[in-house]
Amino acid sequence: AQSVAQPEDQVNVAEGNPLTVKCTYSVSGNPYLFWYVQYPNRGLQFLLKYITGDNLVKGSYGFEAEFNKSQTSFHLKKPSALVSDSALYFCAVRTRLSNTGKLIFGQGTTLQVKP
Amino acid sequence: SQTIHQWPATLVQPVGSPLSLECTVEGTSNPNLYWYRQAAGRGLQLLFYSVGIGQISSEVPQNLSASRPQDRQFILSSKKLLLSDSGFYLCAWRTRKGLAGGPGEQYFGPGTRLTVT
Repeated sequence: AQSVAQPEDQVNVAEGNPLTVKCTYSVSGNPYLFWYVQYPNRGLQFLLKYITGDNLVKGSYGFEAEFNKSQTSFHLKKPSALVSDSALYFCAVRTRLSNTGKLIFGQGTTLQVKP
Repeated sequence: SQTIHQWPATLVQPVGSPLSLECTVEGTSNPNLYWYRQAAGRGLQLLFYSVGIGQISSEVPQNLSASRPQDRQFILSSKKLLLSDSGFYLCAWRTRKGLAGGPGEQYFGPGTRLTVT
């Protein structure tokens, strides 16, 4: 069965420090991987995705994610956190074989960036 | 450019009343469409998805139903709401490419906050 794990309910960082939000996955075959961000009472916004190729993917708002096949991980990173990055972050995965595009989401990680 | 609309933005309904939430997408054709529910501001539960007009797949047996009367319109309904139907309902779309659908990401609407009293 496909699954996504975000092991941290909340991550706290100081503004200006690097941040990492962790994600591990389990899926048959090679996956497509995604990160989304959600601000309070809003829909999810797409940040970035991994399809193939370079393991380091760059996305919106200075975020990037590193795909590690051996560790089945896709951690979200940013070199210097902003207070405005504080939000709920979701990792998602889908199999390449599905023609429905259904995503399996993690439970989300709340990022709190303190001034 | 593509946009996705949901309405209403908020809704307060009594137990036992009917429900109709609407989602429309502009600027694309033949999208895959999805309905999610988010409870307590955390995990997303996929409720329904559709790969074409009149084609609805249900992920979780429940008090809700979905319909797709037009290519870019997706409706979530209930005949009688339960307290447990409260939550934040999100509609999403993605472009379909080829038989396997391609690697396209889903794009989400602004959501509808439903409170059943």
